[in-house]
Amino acid sequence: AAGVIQSPRHLIKEKRETATLKCYPIPRHDTVYWYQQGPGQDPQFLISFYEKMQSDKGSIPDRFSAQQFSDYHSELNMSSLELGDSALYFCASSGGDNTEAFFGQGTRLTVV
Amino acid sequence: QQQVKQSPQSLIVQKGGISIINCAYENTAFDYFPWYQQFPGKGPALLIAIRPDVSEKKEGRFTISFNKSAKQFSLHIMDSQPGDSATYFCAASITGAQKLVFGQGTRLTINP
Repeated sequence: AAGVIQSPRHLIKEKRETATLKCYPIPRHDTVYWYQQGPGQDPQFLISFYEKMQSDKGSIPDRFSAQQFSDYHSELNMSSLELGDSALYFCASSGGDNTEAFFGQGTRLTVV
Repeated sequence: QQQVKQSPQSLIVQKGGISIINCAYENTAFDYFPWYQQFPGKGPALLIAIRPDVSEKKEGRFTISFNKSAKQFSLHIMDSQPGDSATYFCAASITGAQKLVFGQGTRLTINP
């Protein structure tokens, strides 16, 4: 079965650079979520989209923005990167009335 | 403020034993309680989930017990195997709001 696809899997950026993370949800899933997981931490909700509209917002820095496109894929844009942004970034998707969220493999972002 | 509190932080169980992880929540609006299993460098994988209208749900070796009045729920892993060694996260969400609030995680080690 198709899963949530994230790219790239690994990304190394320098401080103050910009990064773009991509997420391709499971087919027919209309909701996408972004989470940030620091080392040894639980995933923290950043932002979600339902039918291409922002549906909820968590602890997402103003330096970050995201959107969901017409094909339901989503991109997380991160600017003015800081060392503390180094983390695993997960995308999850869910569909219809089903609350179950399925996670991608994540993008490991390292800011040096 | 941690909305979902999970314990213990780490747990060591002998092969064949029962692993028990506990979670407590404050927000009575939560109506969906999933458990996720995460291996190092991988995304969280949905293991089993429960809604407050039932007190117990069993799937194979995994059982969720739910106590609505105490606002607690737990994961029991029967006949624990070395392959169960992973980090386990409980989570909670409100149907409609959809975003997951995670517990702090439990690192489970099953000794052979």
